[in-house]
Amino acid sequence: KAGVTQTPRYLIKTRGQQVTLSCSPISGHRSVSWYQQTPGQGLQFLFEYFSETQRNKGNFPGRFSGRQFSNSRSEMNVSTLELGDSALYLCASRTGEPGELFFGEGSRLTVL
Amino acid sequence: SQKIEQNSEALNIQEGKTATLTCNYTNYSPAYLQWYRQDPGRGPVFLLLIRENEKEKRKERLKVTFDTTLKQSLFHITASQPADSATYLCAPTNFGNEKLTFGTGTRLTIIP
Repeated sequence: KAGVTQTPRYLIKTRGQQVTLSCSPISGHRSVSWYQQTPGQGLQFLFEYFSETQRNKGNFPGRFSGRQFSNSRSEMNVSTLELGDSALYLCASRTGEPGELFFGEGSRLTVL
Repeated sequence: SQKIEQNSEALNIQEGKTATLTCNYTNYSPAYLQWYRQDPGRGPVFLLLIRENEKEKRKERLKVTFDTTLKQSLFHITASQPADSATYLCAPTNFGNEKLTFGTGTRLTIIP
């Protein structure tokens, strides 16, 4: 069974640009969560999608948005990038029931 | 507000000894608590889940305890090995709210 796949793995953007990150969950998993990880703040929850609906949301500004498609694949978008958005963005999937999260390898975003 | 505290940012343990990591939480009434391992530049990997009605759970050299009165979980690695060196994250989760939030983690180093 293939794991969670995130693309791209690495990307460099400049301030003011926008970025879209993609996540393909494990087959059969209907829940996809996104996290931002920085050295200073640790793993911060962004949002969770389940069956194309946002089920939970963290405390991030509206520049951070996401969506989920009918095949459970998910994308997150960050608009008007700031230097502080440089981070490792992790996607995780699960069946939808409480329990184990399966993480991807992450997308490392650098904002210059 | 909800808070998760993991003992000391870094913990150094001699190979062969038992490593004990602490996770304290406030303003949670977790239905269960999970522990994850994260290696540098990689996504976290699930290790163990313990439910509120379980006092202890074991998996090979790993043992987790869960004290809902003390609002604390302890994570033990017995007969530690250099390969156990990683950052360990805990995540308590309230019943009915499956948003998974993580502590900042403890970076464990096993010294040969």
